[in-house]
Amino acid sequence: GPKVLQIPSHQIIDMGQMVTLNCDPVSNHLYFYWYKQILGQQMEFLVNFYNGKVMEKSKLFKDQFSVERPDGSYFTLKIQPTALEDSAVYFCASRGTPNTEVFFGKGTRLTVV
Amino acid sequence: QQKVQQSPESLIVPEGGMASLNCTSSDRNVDYFWWYRQHSGKSPKMLMSIFSNGEKEEGRFTVHLNKASLHTSLHIRDSQPSDSALYLCAASMAQGGRALIFGTGTTVSVSP
Repeated sequence: GPKVLQIPSHQIIDMGQMVTLNCDPVSNHLYFYWYKQILGQQMEFLVNFYNGKVMEKSKLFKDQFSVERPDGSYFTLKIQPTALEDSAVYFCASRGTPNTEVFFGKGTRLTVV
Repeated sequence: QQKVQQSPESLIVPEGGMASLNCTSSDRNVDYFWWYRQHSGKSPKMLMSIFSNGEKEEGRFTVHLNKASLHTSLHIRDSQPSDSALYLCAASMAQGGRALIFGTGTTVSVSP
């Protein structure tokens, strides 16, 4: 089936440093999302990105977070600076059209030390 | 932000038995409900979606939706050990591309 690729699969970073998580959405998909999951439990919505803009974001999407997708490049989530509570698995997701299935990547496990 | 509640938190089902999971949204603006399954250490995969009142069946899985109460349920019959996973319910609004908001999840363990 359609695949969302996430790079890297694991990242360990010192608190206060910057980290960029990369996502290659399903080809031709237009809607992109980031979610955060801690300890394999609730999948928490962070941000929704469409047509080069943030469409909606949650309270978890702090000022230290930013997203972008330069033309022909990855959809990225940047955290600057990182905090200990940012440790989690971050899932990227995409869908082609509204109200269709959302496909998830395998996640990037971020550990902030 | 809308809230999605799932129950029970965890469930143990004998192999071959029926698992029943519940999900309710507290936001009356939601239009669509989704059920995803996530095996340990893996990404969530969509099982079923339901948008209209009533019931929908696919293989061993049946979903029900009551839009008046914003309640959906997922039933797994003839449960298999491979059904052991975290089941996530999500709700979303109809407006273009709005995010899926997930519930807290139900962990299902199927005992051989």
